[in-house]
Amino acid sequence: AQSVTQLGSHVSVSEGALVLLRCNYSSSVPPYLFWYVQYPNQGLQLLLKYTSAATLVKGINGFEAEFKKSETSFHLTKPSAHMSDAAEYFCAVNNYGGSQGNLIFGKGTKLSVKP
Amino acid sequence: DVKVTQSSRYLVKRTGEKVFLECVQDMDHENMFWYRQDPGLGLRLIYFSYDVKMKEKGDIPEGYSVSREKKERFSLILESASTNQTSMYLCASSPPLTDPYEQYFGPGTRLTVT
Repeated sequence: AQSVTQLGSHVSVSEGALVLLRCNYSSSVPPYLFWYVQYPNQGLQLLLKYTSAATLVKGINGFEAEFKKSETSFHLTKPSAHMSDAAEYFCAVNNYGGSQGNLIFGKGTKLSVKP
Repeated sequence: DVKVTQSSRYLVKRTGEKVFLECVQDMDHENMFWYRQDPGLGLRLIYFSYDVKMKEKGDIPEGYSVSREKKERFSLILESASTNQTSMYLCASSPPLTDPYEQYFGPGTRLTVT
């Protein structure tokens, strides 16, 4: 069965600093991986997705993530944080073990950006 | 753009009431999902549906039921609301399985049961 672990429920960075949000997955088959962002009182919006093409995936708002099979990781990065990046971020993997079409979500990482 | 709408952004109900949460998508997606989101627990799947009149239980179906009479509409029903069902409820939809599982979310309904 698939699973996702997000390391750190809260991450705080200064404006202009590197953003690094960690996600590790467990999957018995090649996974599809996703990062979603949730701004306060809103639904989830897709940032980027890995679907077995290029291992470095670029998403919206300057975010990118690298799929590393050897480390079973899919960490999310952004070179320079903006105040508008403050939100909660969720990593997800497709659920081959269960019914097809489902995603399994991590518990989320709340990103704070200090001026 | 895909649009998923939910009938209410905020809802306050009393214990024991029957509660209906409505979700509508406009992209002819086969798959629809209901999640609840609680701090520190992430998103947990309640029910999902692959087609009209089809439904399957997710991880936490107890106390909930669903209805899908039309392809674009997926309703979540709390048969007898309880205070432990106070939560954010998120609806999502996704295309057929030829697309890699990407889900599109509505804005959420924050339900408070008093």
